[in-house]
Order: sequence, then structure tokens, then C-alpha cells
Amino acid sequence: AQKITQTQPGMFVQEKEAVTLDCTYDTSDPSYGLFWYKQPSSGEMIFLIYQGSYDQQNATEGRYSLNFQKARKSANLVISASQLGDSAMYFCAMREGAGNQFYFGTGTSLTVIP
Amino acid sequence: NAGVTQTPKFQVLKTGQSMTLQCAQDMNHEYMSWYRQDPGMGLRLIHYSVGAGITDQGEVPNGYNVSRSTTEDFPLRLLSAAPSQTSVYFCASSYWGGTGGYTFGSGTRLTVV
Repeated sequence: AQKITQTQPGMFVQEKEAVTLDCTYDTSDPSYGLFWYKQPSSGEMIFLIYQGSYDQQNATEGRYSLNFQKARKSANLVISASQLGDSAMYFCAMREGAGNQFYFGTGTSLTVIP
Repeated sequence: NAGVTQTPKFQVLKTGQSMTLQCAQDMNHEYMSWYRQDPGMGLRLIHYSVGAGITDQGEVPNGYNVSRSTTEDFPLRLLSAAPSQTSVYFCASSYWGGTGGYTFGSGTRLTVV
């Protein structure tokens, strides 16, 4: 079974609108961390946001927020007020337990339309 | 600047050739790893290390070797390149259990012809 599932290969959003990128995960470990990374066309991987499994509140970092629904095992990324520079691939990832191995989803390509 | 340095950025190999992808970090991270990125498949773990002298296999280790003689360096060796190893390779490092996730290198685009 896939540890991380991203079901949206491509998404489009109008500039200044909000967009939600979906991510579901699969683990039986009660302790885990969820991460989102951005990969622009230049290729580098940029860390965006982190959510721990025991965190009571949804994580936020500037225009990024993580909609964490533990019972549904979903960790959707919400980008508010989209900008042209947000056009990129976005990867959801999970780290289980005390280990450091990350499991990545297949990514969602986001295009922001002017 | 502190971070993960990967070299080279681009490489073309002929089938059967060997080469080493270099990775160095100056953040004193215990954990280092190598991933390959292929279209539609996300990032897959090749090998990882939890400290100097300790390495282990990830999801797709065949055809690759690693070593970790120092905390800073974690080279990836392709023993006999095959076209199936055409990919983008990322080195990443982190503190053990850190909430900041990985710090990634800039990637190496490898083509095997």
C-alpha cells in the first residue's frame, strides 16, 4: 500500500485565489510527521511546512497552512492568495516514528493563471 | 552558505561506466540519504546513513553503493551504469527526528546512454 497518496496530478488556480492540494497517508504508527515540499522548475526541493501527529492545531507558515484531519488520515496543503511564483510541483511526505526515512507522494503540479 | 552541496549538476554516462555522485553537508546532520526522482513516481529512497560508518538500503538500492566515512560526506557510487538509472538524484540531510524536514541538495541530472 502507498504510504502517501496525492491524487491530483495537475491543478490550476487563478492568481490571488486559494487552492487546496490533497494528501492522504497510511501508517499504523501513532507518532509521525507530515511535510510539504515545493519543487519549482529550477529543480530544488524547498521545505514548506510541517505537522506532527500529536500537534493539536493545524500548522501555518505565512500563506501556507496544513489542514490536518487525523481521523481521515489527510494532510492537505492550503495556499492562500496564490501568486505566479507558486507555480511548481508540490510533494507531500511522511516520516514514521523515530526514524528518519521519508515517504514521498508522486506530487501535484500547480499552475497559477494570471 | 550552509547547506547540502551536490556535484556534479549534470552528467552523461555510457552504459557500463561507473561514477560517483558527491554529497557534502556542513550542518552536522546525523542523517543523510540519497533519493532518485523519476516522472510520476515521486522520490524513492536509494540508501541512507544515520551516522559515520553506518549505512543501510532504501527502497531501490540495486546498482548503487554508498559509504559514510565522515559526518559531512555521503557519496553515491554507480557501479555499472544502465539506462534505467537515468534520473534526477537528490542528496538530503537532517538532524535525527527534526521537525524541519530534510535539507536537499540541488540535484544531479544523470543520463545514461
